[in-house]
Amino acid sequence: DAGVIQSPRHEVTEMGQEVTLRCKPISGHDYLFWYRQTMMRGLELLIYFNNNVPIDDSGMPEDRFSAKMPNASFSTLKIQPSEPRDSAVYFCASSFSQGVVRLFFGSGTQLSVL
Amino acid sequence: ILNVEQSPQSLHVQEGDSTNFTCSFPSSNFYALHWYRWETAKSPEALFVMTLNGDEKKKGRISATLNTKEGYSYLYIKGSQPEDSATYLCAFMGNTGFQKLVFGTGTRLLVSP
Repeated sequence: DAGVIQSPRHEVTEMGQEVTLRCKPISGHDYLFWYRQTMMRGLELLIYFNNNVPIDDSGMPEDRFSAKMPNASFSTLKIQPSEPRDSAVYFCASSFSQGVVRLFFGSGTQLSVL
Repeated sequence: ILNVEQSPQSLHVQEGDSTNFTCSFPSSNFYALHWYRWETAKSPEALFVMTLNGDEKKKGRISATLNTKEGYSYLYIKGSQPEDSATYLCAFMGNTGFQKLVFGTGTRLLVSP
């Protein structure tokens, strides 16, 4: 398996623009997580899904952020409108609920909002 | 709000030194404690997952211990090598919100040759 695949690797956009981050989890994994990495707060959990259903979105900063998982192999995190304070690295991770549970992370998307 | 704390924030050692860092987490509603290794420009990778009080895990020169009653875990690296340079993250999983991991801010280790 290729692992968790995220795109794009880097995104530079201007304030007010819509940003969409994409994630393909490892095949067969039933949990998907979106994390945000900042210097101040470390790795913060934004939202996670189980079998494509959102379980906990309490970490989503505000209404400008939304996430979807239309099927088991694809998820998006959308920011509309984007703001400079959204600049961070966004990680997607997936896991399988059976056996030893551990997260497998994608390579992250470095987002810069100017 | 769950508080997972790691210390020290950063550490600089010489090749061959042994080192250890600490992760503190809530002692109630414990389910599992994870350790991840995060190299620069890469993604975090799981090192250990520990679930039982008194658990000890080992992978090569790296080992970890767990005390769930007092809420701490230690990560040890014996004979540090430059390739051990990375940020080491611990993450707490409670027995509510299954699979929800709360990460500490990490310990950044630099091993000089």
